[in-house]
Amino acid sequence: DVKVTQSSRYLVKRTGEKVFLECVQDMDHENMFWYRQDPGLGLRLIYFSYDVKMKEKGDIPEGYSVSREKKERFSLILESASTNQTSMYLCASRQGAQGELFFGEGSRLTVL
Amino acid sequence: AQSVTQLGSHVSVSEGALVLLRCNYSSSVPPYLFWYVQYPNQGLQLLLKYTTGATLVKGINGFEAEFKKSETSFHLTKPSAHMSDAAEYFCAVRPNTGFQKLVFGTGTRLLVSP
Repeated sequence: DVKVTQSSRYLVKRTGEKVFLECVQDMDHENMFWYRQDPGLGLRLIYFSYDVKMKEKGDIPEGYSVSREKKERFSLILESASTNQTSMYLCASRQGAQGELFFGEGSRLTVL
Repeated sequence: AQSVTQLGSHVSVSEGALVLLRCNYSSSVPPYLFWYVQYPNQGLQLLLKYTTGATLVKGINGFEAEFKKSETSFHLTKPSAHMSDAAEYFCAVRPNTGFQKLVFGTGTRLLVSP
């Protein structure tokens, strides 16, 4: 069974803290994605990676960075968390440009 | 550029009634189209997809969708709603060539009453 695992389901952080959201996939997929989900806005792409050490900005990259040192792991970093980054974060992966997108269960982040 | 419009942020039906969730897309090239479902506190799961070929696509849990190019639509239907269908549904579009991002609609929450 395919699996995308997000390490933290729920996090509470304070404004200004550095936050790491980890995502691991066990399918040897080339492409990995980070989305943000907010009510009424759907899913918005933050960053994606099509290979190890490669990254591309999505539609809303401001305030975020990513790291992909190994093929199976894609990390989302909030350098200095702000309250407007309170959201649900979803990681996804797929094999190649035409593959199906598989999602993790999400990480709900609250920034106080 | 691609975009997706889902009409209605909430749709309410009774158990056993027809489910119709609307999705219209905009795409400058032939698209691939998808419907995803999200159950509470879970990630998204693929329901069905249209790539090429038959325009009526059948998915999991009795759902189906029809690609209508002339109407730029990809509406999701199910003949008879079940309580377990209560979830949020997302339509998504991407071009059918190259490395392309998936663009999601804003979602429709389906409420099913007994």
